[in-house]
Amino acid sequence: ELKVEQNPLFLSMQEGKNYTIYCNYSTTSDRLYWYRQDPGKSLESLFVLLSNGAVKQEGRLMASLDTKARLSTLHITAAVHDLSATYFCAVDGQHQPDDKIIFGKGTRLHILP
Amino acid sequence: DTGVSQDPRHKITKRGQNVTFRCDPISEHNRLYWYRQTLGQGPEFLTYFQNEAQLEKSRLLSDRFSAERPKGSFSTLEIQRTEQGDSAMYLCASSFDNGLAGLGMPYEQYFGPGTRLTVT
Repeated sequence: ELKVEQNPLFLSMQEGKNYTIYCNYSTTSDRLYWYRQDPGKSLESLFVLLSNGAVKQEGRLMASLDTKARLSTLHITAAVHDLSATYFCAVDGQHQPDDKIIFGKGTRLHILP
Repeated sequence: DTGVSQDPRHKITKRGQNVTFRCDPISEHNRLYWYRQTLGQGPEFLTYFQNEAQLEKSRLLSDRFSAERPKGSFSTLEIQRTEQGDSAMYLCASSFDNGLAGLGMPYEQYFGPGTRLTVT
């Protein structure tokens, strides 16, 4: 059964600082997604990572994927208050008999001005 | 607005009642997904359609839940005999599969605003 674990689950940080959110998953997959969710809102797609070594960047966010380690990271550079949100990683359970895409529990990010 | 839409946005119902939610995907998208999200958790996959065919159902989807996509466009999710444990946000997402998903191509999902269900 595919499991996806994110850490930390909560993160409070100062503006201007750098930090990394980690996403580990338990079985083979080569498709991983990062989403952002604001309170009471739906999910916004941030990144789609397809292969080992994939790196994508958008503004102050950069995501990477290591399929051998079954690990993805979301790095935040020089955080600003607007990045406060919950961030989810999701892994495509391509070879699972039941679940299609499995989400982590999310990392609630709070950036202090 | 050409995004995914869901109706209603909020539903309050009494335990034991039936409820039905609707999702209208992005028009050219052939895949449609339903998820359930409870407070503090990530979305949990429920089911998905490729055009009008329901291809996968999660073990989370009990017999009280049924989903349809009769013409390959909008979809409905019905919950019969609601229970308090059904209270959650129900999210719909759509994507376009050009047949290359099996070759490692992505099928990026676009999510709707969700329907928040409260069972009292």
